[in-house]
Amino acid sequence: EIVLTQSPGTLSLSPGERATLPCRASQSVSVNYLAWYQQKPGQAPRLLIYGASTRATGIPDRFSGSGSGTDFTLTISRLEPEDFAVYFCHQYGSSPQTFGQGTKVEIK
Amino acid sequence: QVTLRESGPAVVKPTQTLTLTCSFSGFSLNTPAMCVTWVRQPPGKALEWLALIDWDGDKHYTTSLETRLTISKDTAKNQVVLTMTNMDPGDTATYYCARMDGSVGAFDIWGQGTMVTVSS
Repeated sequence: EIVLTQSPGTLSLSPGERATLPCRASQSVSVNYLAWYQQKPGQAPRLLIYGASTRATGIPDRFSGSGSGTDFTLTISRLEPEDFAVYFCHQYGSSPQTFGQGTKVEIK
Repeated sequence: QVTLRESGPAVVKPTQTLTLTCSFSGFSLNTPAMCVTWVRQPPGKALEWLALIDWDGDKHYTTSLETRLTISKDTAKNQVVLTMTNMDPGDTATYYCARMDGSVGAFDIWGQGTMVTVSS
């Protein structure tokens, strides 16, 4: 099974700053089948990015994904107040599918 | 509009079997490359993928829980059912169902989730 590692567990940033969230896989993710989700308290996750770099429908362009193989990154170019949340990476290229442990982006 | 909604008991006792139903609308599980999946999240913890069933009836399970899980579908009712046997307090979590559209690949639409507590 592919283990996804998200570190750090928490990022403390200010609105307007750039956020860079890494996700490292224990082995290569097939066909870059890597997704990112945003989750706010009491809500279901929301798909942001799939295929490592394609934004889902309705996602603002300040969110971008990059990477391939074992190293992936979610970048939020300028943090808006509504972006403070937990972000999870997810690989769906091989079974069993797996999620990372999440990175919380909190207000500094 | 695509929607999914989970239903099931809020509380189960240890050793009991949990049965959760995902009722969906706005798409068909007869459509090639459509799938429905189950994911859970213990309070304050990470997401854990559990199981997936695809349009063709193929089923996939997470390795650690494979012997306790069964996923099935009723295409006519637009429902997917997940059963988990021998429930334990460690299974206390919010259980989500979600759609996986093959053209996207990831879980693009989620239900609101249902909280299940395992307690005697």
